[in-house]
Amino acid sequence: KAGVTQTPRYLIKTRGQQVTLSCSPISGHRSVSWYQQTPGQGLQFLFEYFSETQRNKGNFPGRFSGRQFSNSRSEMNVSTLELGDSALYLCASSLAGVNTGELFFGEGSRLTVL
Amino acid sequence: GQQVMQIPQYQHVQEGEDFTTYCNSSTTLSNIQWYKQRPGGHPVFLIQLVKSGEVKKQKRLTFQFGEAKKNSSLHITATQTTDVGTYFCAGRNSGNTPLVFGKGTRLSVIA
Repeated sequence: KAGVTQTPRYLIKTRGQQVTLSCSPISGHRSVSWYQQTPGQGLQFLFEYFSETQRNKGNFPGRFSGRQFSNSRSEMNVSTLELGDSALYLCASSLAGVNTGELFFGEGSRLTVL
Repeated sequence: GQQVMQIPQYQHVQEGEDFTTYCNSSTTLSNIQWYKQRPGGHPVFLIQLVKSGEVKKQKRLTFQFGEAKKNSSLHITATQTTDVGTYFCAGRNSGNTPLVFGKGTRLSVIA
């Protein structure tokens, strides 16, 4: 069974640009979560989607947005990039619905903003 | 909002010594999960605890969930170099809330 696939794995952008990251969950998983990982802050929750609906949203500015498609694939977008957006963006999928289920993480998309 | 604190931030041990990381939540949790992230890797699920006072073991690893379901610990007996990595706890409140991670404890094992 294929794992969680994230693309691109690495990318470099400049301030003010926008970026779209993609996540394909494990087949059959309907829940997708996104986390931002930085050395000082650990894993910070961005969004959680279930069956195309945003179920939860973390404490990030409106420049961060996401969506989930009918095939459970998810994308997140960051507009007007800032230097502080440099981070590893991790996507995780899970089988279950509410309040249960381990997360299966992808390898992440490492974003560098110059 | 919900916060999960984890201590210590770093731990350096000699191979063969024991290691413990502690996790505390500002709110009562419905369950707590533990993950391990190897250097350069992604977090990998270790275990989930659900019941108050629950204790689970995986070989040299012992996981505990507090009676009040607000704290948890991971204890590794006789560490090995393969234990190197960052250990995260992550908890959910009751209801339809996201999994909130602690900042992790980075374990270094000196051979």
